[in-house]
Amino acid sequence: DSGVTQTPKHLITATGQRVTLRCSPRSGDLSVYWYQQSLDQGLQFLIQYYNGEERAKGNILERFSAQQFPDLHSELNLSSLELGDSALYFCASSVVSAGSLGTQYFGPGTRLTVL
Amino acid sequence: GDSVTQMEGPVTLSEEACLTINCTYTATGYPSLFWYVQYPGEGLQLLLKATKADDKGSNKGFEATYRKETTSFHLEKGSVQVSDSAVYFCALNRAKAGNMLTFGGGTRLMVKP
Repeated sequence: DSGVTQTPKHLITATGQRVTLRCSPRSGDLSVYWYQQSLDQGLQFLIQYYNGEERAKGNILERFSAQQFPDLHSELNLSSLELGDSALYFCASSVVSAGSLGTQYFGPGTRLTVL
Repeated sequence: GDSVTQMEGPVTLSEEACLTINCTYTATGYPSLFWYVQYPGEGLQLLLKATKADDKGSNKGFEATYRKETTSFHLEKGSVQVSDSAVYFCALNRAKAGNMLTFGGGTRLMVKP
């Protein structure tokens, strides 16, 4: 158990809908990362937050957004969902955003299925 | 940009066989290198890491050495067990490029009794 929690574990929804994925980092970790794992794209970095502020952006679609709250939990919002958004979404956390304390620990993931 | 290339799987071995999963990378500067493992139906677990050239990461009988001259970080284990069956991901990050991980495509290992 990494100490990173994600809810829900599974999510099934329809095209055009909006969903919110939630992540709680390990106790004491300030940085949160979101990754998408799909069969065709593999594991891809989406976005990083550090202590409430956006730190880095990867291949994140404009239909997706995220935020990190004062209690350090994070939410990933996916809107206007398409079939191709079906994937496993992972959250990871680290103490800080670089260096030896920047090692990332992953949650169990949320499996999103868009029908 | 940064990239990581892993040998394609699946790799099928008998129990107690030796394992090598090749990983090479392309990155500017001095990345940190990682191996993560994903067991069926689970998330990613950090297996081992190395943060500078010639460092050796080790954990649970697995080892990998950071070779800057060949830009490689091959994963090795002397004697695999059925419980090692999983997907293994090689990854890197560079602190100066943000801390995001760049992953290889993953290698599925199947160990038969």
